[in-house]
Amino acid sequence: GAGVSQTPSNKVTEKGKYVELRCDPISGHTALYWYRQSLGQGPEFLIYFQGTGAADDSGLPNDRFFAVRPEGSVSTLKIQRTERGDSAVYLCASSLQGAWTEAFFGQGTRLTVV
Amino acid sequence: KQEVTQIPAALSVPEGENLVLNCSFTDSAIYNLQWFRQDPGKGLTSLLLIQSSQREQTSGRLNASLDKSSGRSTLYIAASQPGDSATYLCAVKETSGSRLTFGEGTQLTVNP
Repeated sequence: GAGVSQTPSNKVTEKGKYVELRCDPISGHTALYWYRQSLGQGPEFLIYFQGTGAADDSGLPNDRFFAVRPEGSVSTLKIQRTERGDSAVYLCASSLQGAWTEAFFGQGTRLTVV
Repeated sequence: KQEVTQIPAALSVPEGENLVLNCSFTDSAIYNLQWFRQDPGKGLTSLLLIQSSQREQTSGRLNASLDKSSGRSTLYIAASQPGDSATYLCAVKETSGSRLTFGEGTQLTVNP
């Protein structure tokens, strides 16, 4: 596609439920990032994929958070047993292979846990 | 641990003014620095990318400079317009792990 696509754009879920957030990167981009942004804050790093593997998952806050990218394209961020503190905008970005390349972000998924 | 700071946190200017946004980072081991724009409720739009070997980049009314040794970057906006109102974020890509580390942004308001 023309840009990074994230679905859904909004998600409201009850505390304790499981949610999945999807990211479609720009075609041909091998690097994919997930970030979380709280109101009035800068984006906070969660995980970085290079191809199918997680090259750096040190930003995942706890074991309720997990992300996959099985075919090196679409990625899914999974959150188990959601808590109210998980409410935030979840942003996905992709870039071409290589450390010197520009990152492009999607529009984000606004997650609200009630 | 890399820390990115943006000053000021908020800025309000009249239309037509030239302005400078500041970004500083604590660890100079970076591949590049990227400036983004974020409109309310929206994702991030990339404005300029400066590689660590470069000193500046220009796009239209925007000019970004980078002084890697001192850990500073500035975004210069010429002849500001109300449509420039948004939050501006800078991010550095670290050589360890290739993650982007963001500042908290400068919220810019340009008044007609």
